[in-house]
Amino acid sequence: AQTVTQSQPEMSVQEAETVTLSCTYDTSENNYYLFWYKQPPSRQMILVIRQEAYKQQNATENRFSVNFQKAAKSFSLKISDSQLGDTAMYFCAFMKHEGNTPLVFGKGTRLSVIA
Amino acid sequence: SAVISQKPSRDICQRGTSLTIQCQVDSQVTMMFWYRQQPGQSLTLIATANQGSEATYESGFVIDKFPISRPNLTFSTLTVSNMSPEDSSIYLCSVEVRLTDTQYFGPGTRLTVL
Repeated sequence: AQTVTQSQPEMSVQEAETVTLSCTYDTSENNYYLFWYKQPPSRQMILVIRQEAYKQQNATENRFSVNFQKAAKSFSLKISDSQLGDTAMYFCAFMKHEGNTPLVFGKGTRLSVIA
Repeated sequence: SAVISQKPSRDICQRGTSLTIQCQVDSQVTMMFWYRQQPGQSLTLIATANQGSEATYESGFVIDKFPISRPNLTFSTLTVSNMSPEDSSIYLCSVEVRLTDTQYFGPGTRLTVL
């Protein structure tokens, strides 16, 4: 079975600064997908970024980037130029490569961006 | 991505009653997933719904408590039966959009049981 661990229950960052959220996972699969989802107070789960395990290149989406270390089973999210709208719960998630399989979530990190 | 809607967006219910939550997608999908998010917690999978077959439930969730229907490729319902205050949660449906290997979520249903 897969497990996902987020060791930082809460974090805060000053507006315009950079913050890194940590995620580690455990799996015996060789091919899989990793995701970061954002959940603001509206409770909508919003996809932030996606990484395919068989791609060595780290995914980036505008101000969001990941540091994917497959051997270490680590998948951290870096948010650059933090904005007040980035305040939310962030969940790291794992999905098997075979498709149409459920996500396995970490416990989440509550990020507060301070003006 | 996909446009996913859920009804109702929120409800307050009395103990012992049942509530049916609807999930509608704007494209045909093979699997639909139902998750529960208890207050302050992460998401936990309730069941996987495949069109034309019985839903597959995770450990700790049973069909009598959470019956699921999946009548076609764009729609599913989750019923929370004989509710108790412990069922107070956000219930979310998600789908894997074809050829994207990515899951997208509905806006969620916030349920409060008194």
